[in-house]
Amino acid sequence: DTGVSQNPRHKITKRGQNVTFRCDPISEHNRLYWYRQTLGQGPEFLTYFQNEAQLEKSRLLSDRFSAERPKGSFSTLEIQRTEQGDSAMYLCATDTPPSGDRTDTQYFGPGTRLTVL
Amino acid sequence: AQTVTQSQPEMSVQEAETVTLSCTYDTSENNYYLFWYKQPPSRQMILVIRQEAYKQQNATENRFSVNFQKAAKSFSLKISDSQLGDTAMYFCAFYSSNTGKLIFGQGTTLQVKP
Repeated sequence: DTGVSQNPRHKITKRGQNVTFRCDPISEHNRLYWYRQTLGQGPEFLTYFQNEAQLEKSRLLSDRFSAERPKGSFSTLEIQRTEQGDSAMYLCATDTPPSGDRTDTQYFGPGTRLTVL
Repeated sequence: AQTVTQSQPEMSVQEAETVTLSCTYDTSENNYYLFWYKQPPSRQMILVIRQEAYKQQNATENRFSVNFQKAAKSFSLKISDSQLGDTAMYFCAFYSSNTGKLIFGQGTTLQVKP
C-alpha cells in the first residue's frame, strides 16, 4: 500500500462535460504529481505541487485542465469540456512513503480511468 | 532533454527461468535516479527497484537486480526465478532534481508462462 488513494476509480462521461478527480496522499507537505497514461504507453507528466504551490505544468496541460492542492493536502484535477482524446488513466503520485521521510522515489495511487464517449 | 527507451515491446519467459529487460536513457546530468516500475494488468504501478547514479554497486531486491552501466547509459532489469505473478508491464524511468519529474520509457510487457 502506497498510502495514495484516488477517486473515482472509473469515470465515464460524455464529450463536452466537465470532470473532477481527487487524489489523497497519506502525508501532507510533500510533493504531489499528476501523470496521464494512455493504453499501452508509459505515463506522461502533467504537473506537480510542493505543498500548495504548483511548481511546473507540462505543455500537455491545456487550458481545459486545472489542478489545485489547497492547504497542501489532497489535490484535484479538473478537465473542462472533455474531448475523446482525454480518455486515459490519470495517475497521482507522491514522494513520501506511508512510513518515512520524503524521498526521491515516487509512489503511485491506483489511478482514475476516464472514458469520454 | 532526457529520454528513456525500452526497445522490447513484449517478452515472455518460462516460470522459474531468468529474463532480462533492457532500458537505455539519454541525459547530460551526472546526478540522477533510475527506477523500474511494474504495472500488473488493471492494477497499480508498483516500485520494483531503484538505483542512484552515484552508486557503482548495482541495486538488488530479492529476485530483481539491475545492471547499471553509467557510461553506456544502460539500465537493464534481471528477474530471476520468474513467477506467474511477475506477469505485468514493466517501465523504466529517469528522475533528477533538475527535471523534478519522472520520465518513463514505453514499457515492456512481460508474460510468464507456466
